[in-house]
Amino acid sequence: AQKITQTQPGMFVQEKEAVTLDCTYDTSDPSYGLFWYKQPSSGEMIFLIYQGSYDQQNATEGRYSLNFQKARKSANLVISASQLGDSAMYFCAMREVYGGATNKLIFGTGTLLAVQP
Amino acid sequence: EPEVTQTPSHQVTQMGQEVILRCVPISNHLYFYWYRQILGQKVEFLVSFYNNEISEKSEIFDDQFSVERPDGSNFTLKIRSTKLEDSAMYFCASTQPPGQGETQYFGPGTRLLVL
Repeated sequence: AQKITQTQPGMFVQEKEAVTLDCTYDTSDPSYGLFWYKQPSSGEMIFLIYQGSYDQQNATEGRYSLNFQKARKSANLVISASQLGDSAMYFCAMREVYGGATNKLIFGTGTLLAVQP
Repeated sequence: EPEVTQTPSHQVTQMGQEVILRCVPISNHLYFYWYRQILGQKVEFLVSFYNNEISEKSEIFDDQFSVERPDGSNFTLKIRSTKLEDSAMYFCASTQPPGQGETQYFGPGTRLLVL
Protein backbone atom coordinates (compact mmCIF):
# COMPACT_ATOMS: atom_id res chain seq x y z
CA ALA A 1 0.00 0.00 0.00
CA GLN A 2 1.08 3.54 -0.64
CA LYS A 3 2.48 5.42 2.32
CA ILE A 4 4.20 8.74 2.91
CA THR A 5 6.24 9.32 6.07
CA GLN A 6 7.39 12.67 7.36
CA THR A 7 9.30 12.09 10.58
CA GLN A 8 9.88 15.73 11.53
CA PRO A 9 6.78 17.19 13.16
CA GLY A 10 8.49 20.58 13.47
CA MET A 11 11.70 22.35 12.63
CA PHE A 12 13.42 25.65 13.25
CA VAL A 13 15.76 27.34 10.79
CA GLN A 14 17.55 30.67 10.86
CA GLU A 15 16.67 33.16 8.18
CA LYS A 16 18.94 32.88 5.12
CA GLU A 17 20.03 29.34 5.98
CA ALA A 18 19.10 26.22 4.04
CA VAL A 19 16.80 23.58 5.49
CA THR A 20 15.94 20.02 4.48
CA LEU A 21 12.52 18.53 5.14
CA ASP A 22 12.48 14.76 5.08
CA CYS A 23 10.03 12.55 3.23
CA THR A 24 10.11 8.82 2.62
CA TYR A 25 7.57 6.89 0.64
CA ASP A 26 6.49 3.36 0.01
CA THR A 27 4.95 2.06 -3.18
CA SER A 28 5.08 -1.05 -5.30
CA ASP A 29 4.17 0.82 -8.47
CA PRO A 30 7.08 1.68 -10.80
CA SER A 31 5.35 4.83 -12.01
CA TYR A 32 4.55 7.53 -9.49
CA GLY A 33 4.89 11.22 -8.78
CA LEU A 34 6.06 13.01 -5.68
CA PHE A 35 4.88 16.46 -4.66
CA TRP A 36 5.54 19.05 -2.00
CA TYR A 37 2.89 21.50 -0.90
CA LYS A 38 3.13 24.46 1.45
CA GLN A 39 0.26 25.31 3.78
CA PRO A 40 0.59 28.69 5.47
CA SER A 41 -1.52 29.60 8.50
CA SER A 42 -4.23 30.92 6.18
CA GLY A 43 -4.90 27.32 5.16
CA GLU A 44 -4.49 27.15 1.40
CA MET A 45 -2.39 24.42 -0.22
CA ILE A 46 0.30 25.85 -2.45
CA PHE A 47 2.08 23.56 -4.91
CA LEU A 48 5.86 23.86 -4.67
CA ILE A 49 7.57 21.15 -6.66
CA TYR A 50 7.04 17.86 -8.49
CA GLN A 51 9.30 14.86 -9.19
CA GLY A 52 8.34 12.01 -11.48
CA SER A 53 9.67 8.55 -10.74
CA TYR A 54 11.32 8.33 -14.14
CA ASP A 55 12.85 11.80 -14.06
CA GLN A 56 16.62 11.57 -14.30
CA GLN A 57 17.31 14.95 -12.75
CA ASN A 58 16.28 16.24 -9.36
CA ALA A 59 13.52 18.82 -9.67
CA THR A 60 14.24 22.46 -8.87
CA GLU A 61 11.93 25.46 -8.66
CA GLY A 62 13.62 28.65 -7.58
CA ARG A 63 14.73 28.23 -3.96
CA TYR A 64 13.12 24.79 -3.75
CA SER A 65 14.84 21.61 -4.81
CA LEU A 66 13.90 18.00 -4.35
CA ASN A 67 16.59 15.55 -3.33
CA PHE A 68 15.21 12.40 -4.95
CA GLN A 69 16.90 9.15 -3.94
CA LYS A 70 14.91 6.43 -5.63
CA ALA A 71 16.74 3.46 -4.11
CA ARG A 72 16.17 4.85 -0.63
CA LYS A 73 12.60 5.88 -1.49
CA SER A 74 13.19 9.37 -0.23
CA ALA A 75 12.16 12.73 -1.64
CA ASN A 76 13.47 15.42 0.66
CA LEU A 77 12.65 19.07 0.09
CA VAL A 78 15.52 21.52 0.33
CA ILE A 79 14.72 25.19 0.82
CA SER A 80 17.70 27.42 0.26
CA ALA A 81 18.12 30.88 1.78
CA SER A 82 15.10 30.61 4.08
CA GLN A 83 12.83 33.61 4.39
CA LEU A 84 10.39 34.53 7.15
CA GLY A 85 7.56 33.90 4.69
CA ASP A 86 8.62 30.26 4.44
CA SER A 87 7.20 29.63 7.90
CA ALA A 88 4.37 27.18 7.23
CA MET A 89 3.35 23.54 7.27
CA TYR A 90 4.92 21.49 4.48
CA PHE A 91 3.32 18.33 3.14
CA CYS A 92 4.91 15.64 1.03
CA ALA A 93 2.49 13.73 -1.20
CA MET A 94 2.61 10.88 -3.67
CA ARG A 95 0.49 9.78 -6.58
CA GLU A 96 0.64 6.43 -8.28
CA VAL A 97 -0.35 6.22 -11.92
CA TYR A 98 -2.39 3.18 -12.84
CA GLY A 99 -2.57 2.44 -16.52
CA GLY A 100 -2.52 6.10 -17.41
CA ALA A 101 -5.34 7.09 -15.05
CA THR A 102 -4.58 9.94 -12.73
CA ASN A 103 -4.87 8.77 -9.17
CA LYS A 104 -5.40 10.41 -5.81
CA LEU A 105 -2.69 12.05 -3.73
CA ILE A 106 -1.59 10.40 -0.52
CA PHE A 107 -0.24 12.92 1.99
CA GLY A 108 2.22 12.72 4.83
CA THR A 109 1.51 14.19 8.23
CA GLY A 110 3.46 17.35 7.50
CA THR A 111 6.38 19.27 8.96
CA LEU A 112 5.83 22.64 10.59
CA LEU A 113 8.71 24.92 9.67
CA ALA A 114 9.47 28.04 11.67
CA VAL A 115 11.98 30.50 10.24
CA GLN A 116 13.66 32.61 12.88
CA PRO A 117 15.07 36.10 12.21
CA GLU B 1 -2.52 32.50 -13.90
CA PRO B 2 -5.52 30.15 -13.83
CA GLU B 3 -6.54 28.90 -10.42
CA VAL B 4 -9.07 26.70 -8.69
CA THR B 5 -11.70 28.68 -6.82
CA GLN B 6 -13.98 27.55 -4.01
CA THR B 7 -17.04 29.01 -2.36
CA PRO B 8 -17.87 29.68 0.35
CA SER B 9 -14.61 30.24 2.19
CA HIS B 10 -16.32 29.45 5.50
CA GLN B 11 -19.56 27.68 6.32
CA VAL B 12 -21.18 27.14 9.68
CA THR B 13 -24.08 24.73 9.83
CA GLN B 14 -26.19 22.80 12.29
CA MET B 15 -25.81 19.06 12.64
CA GLY B 16 -28.20 17.26 10.31
CA GLN B 17 -28.33 20.05 7.75
CA GLU B 18 -27.29 19.66 4.15
CA VAL B 19 -24.36 21.65 2.80
CA ILE B 20 -23.10 22.14 -0.73
CA LEU B 21 -19.52 23.13 -1.28
CA ARG B 22 -18.70 24.62 -4.66
CA CYS B 23 -15.59 24.55 -6.75
CA VAL B 24 -14.60 25.92 -10.14
CA PRO B 25 -11.64 23.87 -11.41
CA ILE B 26 -9.10 25.20 -13.87
CA SER B 27 -10.86 25.35 -17.22
CA ASN B 28 -8.82 22.88 -19.30
CA HIS B 29 -8.49 20.33 -16.51
CA LEU B 30 -10.35 17.05 -16.75
CA TYR B 31 -9.78 15.33 -13.39
CA PHE B 32 -11.35 16.73 -10.27
CA TYR B 33 -10.90 15.84 -6.63
CA TRP B 34 -12.19 16.56 -3.17
CA TYR B 35 -9.97 16.23 -0.12
CA ARG B 36 -10.55 17.10 3.48
CA GLN B 37 -8.30 18.11 6.35
CA ILE B 38 -9.54 17.83 9.90
CA LEU B 39 -7.94 20.50 12.06
CA GLY B 40 -4.35 19.64 12.86
CA GLN B 41 -4.35 16.48 10.77
CA LYS B 42 -3.15 15.48 7.34
CA VAL B 43 -5.02 15.92 4.10
CA GLU B 44 -7.24 12.94 3.20
CA PHE B 45 -8.61 11.96 -0.18
CA LEU B 46 -12.37 11.80 -0.52
CA VAL B 47 -13.24 11.32 -4.18
CA SER B 48 -12.00 11.73 -7.72
CA PHE B 49 -14.19 12.52 -10.71
CA TYR B 50 -13.57 12.14 -14.42
CA ASN B 51 -15.77 12.11 -17.47
CA ASN B 52 -18.86 12.90 -15.42
CA GLU B 53 -18.49 10.02 -13.04
CA ILE B 54 -16.70 9.05 -9.87
CA SER B 55 -13.43 7.29 -10.68
CA GLU B 56 -12.40 6.52 -7.13
CA LYS B 57 -13.68 7.18 -3.62
CA SER B 58 -12.34 6.56 -0.14
CA GLU B 59 -14.11 4.86 2.74
CA ILE B 60 -14.79 8.32 4.16
CA PHE B 61 -16.98 9.06 1.14
CA ASP B 62 -20.10 7.25 2.33
CA ASP B 63 -23.73 7.64 1.28
CA GLN B 64 -23.93 11.04 2.95
CA PHE B 65 -21.59 12.47 0.34
CA SER B 66 -22.20 13.10 -3.32
CA VAL B 67 -20.46 15.00 -6.09
CA GLU B 68 -21.79 16.59 -9.21
CA ARG B 69 -20.64 18.59 -12.16
CA PRO B 70 -23.90 20.41 -12.90
CA ASP B 71 -22.50 22.46 -15.76
CA GLY B 72 -19.27 22.96 -17.67
CA SER B 73 -17.51 24.82 -14.91
CA ASN B 74 -18.75 23.94 -11.43
CA PHE B 75 -17.90 20.88 -9.37
CA THR B 76 -19.83 20.42 -6.13
CA LEU B 77 -19.59 18.32 -2.99
CA LYS B 78 -22.83 17.75 -1.11
CA ILE B 79 -23.02 16.46 2.41
CA ARG B 80 -26.60 15.34 2.92
CA SER B 81 -26.89 15.32 6.70
CA THR B 82 -23.86 16.81 8.39
CA LYS B 83 -22.30 15.33 11.51
CA LEU B 84 -20.01 16.99 14.03
CA GLU B 85 -17.09 15.00 12.67
CA ASP B 86 -17.57 16.50 9.21
CA SER B 87 -16.05 19.71 10.56
CA ALA B 88 -12.92 20.18 8.48
CA MET B 89 -11.31 22.13 5.69
CA TYR B 90 -12.48 20.81 2.33
CA PHE B 91 -10.22 21.26 -0.65
CA CYS B 92 -11.09 20.90 -4.29
CA ALA B 93 -8.28 20.09 -6.73
CA SER B 94 -7.95 19.58 -10.45
CA THR B 95 -5.39 18.31 -12.91
CA GLN B 96 -4.85 17.71 -16.58
CA PRO B 97 -4.78 14.18 -18.00
CA PRO B 98 -1.55 12.18 -17.53
CA GLY B 99 1.13 13.25 -19.95
CA GLN B 100 -0.17 16.80 -20.10
CA GLY B 101 0.77 17.93 -16.62
CA GLU B 102 1.03 16.04 -13.38
CA THR B 103 0.30 18.63 -10.76
CA GLN B 104 -2.91 18.74 -8.78
CA TYR B 105 -3.76 22.37 -8.14
CA PHE B 106 -5.74 23.03 -5.00
CA GLY B 107 -8.36 25.63 -4.31
CA PRO B 108 -8.16 27.81 -1.20
CA GLY B 109 -10.52 25.51 0.70
CA THR B 110 -13.86 25.78 2.46
CA ARG B 111 -13.70 25.68 6.22
CA LEU B 112 -16.81 23.82 7.41
CA LEU B 113 -17.91 23.95 11.01
CA VAL B 114 -20.77 21.71 12.11
CA LEU B 115 -22.38 22.67 15.42
